[in-house]
Amino acid sequence: GDSVTQMEGPVTLSEEAFLTINCTYTATGYPSLFWYVQYPGEGLQLLLKATKADDKGSNKGFEATYRKETTSFHLEKGSVQVSDSAVYFCALSSSGGGGGNKLTFGTGTQLKVEL
Amino acid sequence: GAVVSQHPSRVICKSGTSVKIECRSLDFQATTMFWYRQFPKQSLMLMATSNEGSKATYEQGVEKDKFLINHASLTLSTLTVTSAHPEDSSFYICSVRGFTEAFFGQGTRLTVV
Repeated sequence: GDSVTQMEGPVTLSEEAFLTINCTYTATGYPSLFWYVQYPGEGLQLLLKATKADDKGSNKGFEATYRKETTSFHLEKGSVQVSDSAVYFCALSSSGGGGGNKLTFGTGTQLKVEL
Repeated sequence: GAVVSQHPSRVICKSGTSVKIECRSLDFQATTMFWYRQFPKQSLMLMATSNEGSKATYEQGVEKDKFLINHASLTLSTLTVTSAHPEDSSFYICSVRGFTEAFFGQGTRLTVV
């Protein structure tokens, strides 16, 4: 079945440091890939997504590229801020789109950014 | 603003009692809502799909008599954990699917003592 593996946290960085959170997946067919973010006390929010191989999703300075050859969708940001402190979830939807289809999540990675 | 409102955000209950969690879709009518459960350091696991006006669809291994789901209107689904036990302590999250993305409630931290 489908599965998502992401690096364990917590990850602690200084402000303006470079961020990478690794995510790899196993799926049948051609899944869509997502990163969700959960700020303290709030629900998960879609951060970015990519629906086909070599697509790059980007939002708020975060980027992730859909790599079919390595089945990966690593999240990166060049310069993190304290306000980026949150839990980040990698997810896939094996039927694509992510609207009405089942989502499979990774375990989440907590990021803490310090001054 | 929030698309999905989940209540309560935290609840502590005694073993053997029942707890109801509400999930409201604020911006649009949802014929389908989803309930997830997350254990510490584990993935969000889909428990069940809540269908407005009909029975919920449960994932394999989820006890339907223990986790009662009611979806009586297009904007409200409820999850009732019946006869709760300490092993039911977890983080429960509801979700509503839009056309291109899913929207999530803020989650409910249930602690059974």
